[in-house]
Amino acid sequence: AQSVTQLGSHVSVSEGALVLLRCNYSSSVPPYLFWYVQYPNQGLQLLLKYTSAATLVKGINGFEAEFKKSETSFHLTKPSAHMSDAAEYFCAVALGGDDKIIFGKGTRLHILP
Amino acid sequence: ETGVTQSPTHLIKTRGQQVTLRCSSQSGHNTVSWYQQALGQGPQFIFQYYREEENGRGNFPPRFSGLQFPNYSSELNVNALELDDSALYLCASSLRGGGDTGELFFGEGSRLTVL
Repeated sequence: AQSVTQLGSHVSVSEGALVLLRCNYSSSVPPYLFWYVQYPNQGLQLLLKYTSAATLVKGINGFEAEFKKSETSFHLTKPSAHMSDAAEYFCAVALGGDDKIIFGKGTRLHILP
Repeated sequence: ETGVTQSPTHLIKTRGQQVTLRCSSQSGHNTVSWYQQALGQGPQFIFQYYREEENGRGNFPPRFSGLQFPNYSSELNVNALELDDSALYLCASSLRGGGDTGELFFGEGSRLTVL
């Protein structure tokens, strides 16, 4: 069965610094991979998705992620953190376009002034 | 384009009671997925409905059941509530068979507290 592991339940970065949120996946077939963001008291919003096209995926709000098959990783990055990026981030995996999406436990991103 | 709406937003029940949560899917979507998100955890897949049939189920007991209606809206029913059922219940709609990745569009959730 497919799964994702997010390293670090909490990550703190200074405003303007690089954001790096780590995600490793486990899947028996080439997966679809997603990053979602959740702001307090809200549902989840899609940041970006990988669907076996380009390995470097650009998303909203300046985020991007790179699919590395050799490392089974799909880490999320942003060059310069903004206070508004403070939220919970979830990595997720699916076996295909119509398959259920399985989420990781999440990483809470804190932005320090 | 109407987004995913859920009701009620908050509710409090006692152990042993039953609850029904409702979800209206985004316009044009034919699939609804339900997730349970306990405090500090990621969303856990409960089940998915497509064309009014259950299409995949996570590791949840039978007292969690659902329905999908012809207009693609959906209900989640939980019987014999337990304290551990306290969580945010998220509904997400998507378009199955649309040739895309089945991206989920989430509602803001129904927060259930069981006392």
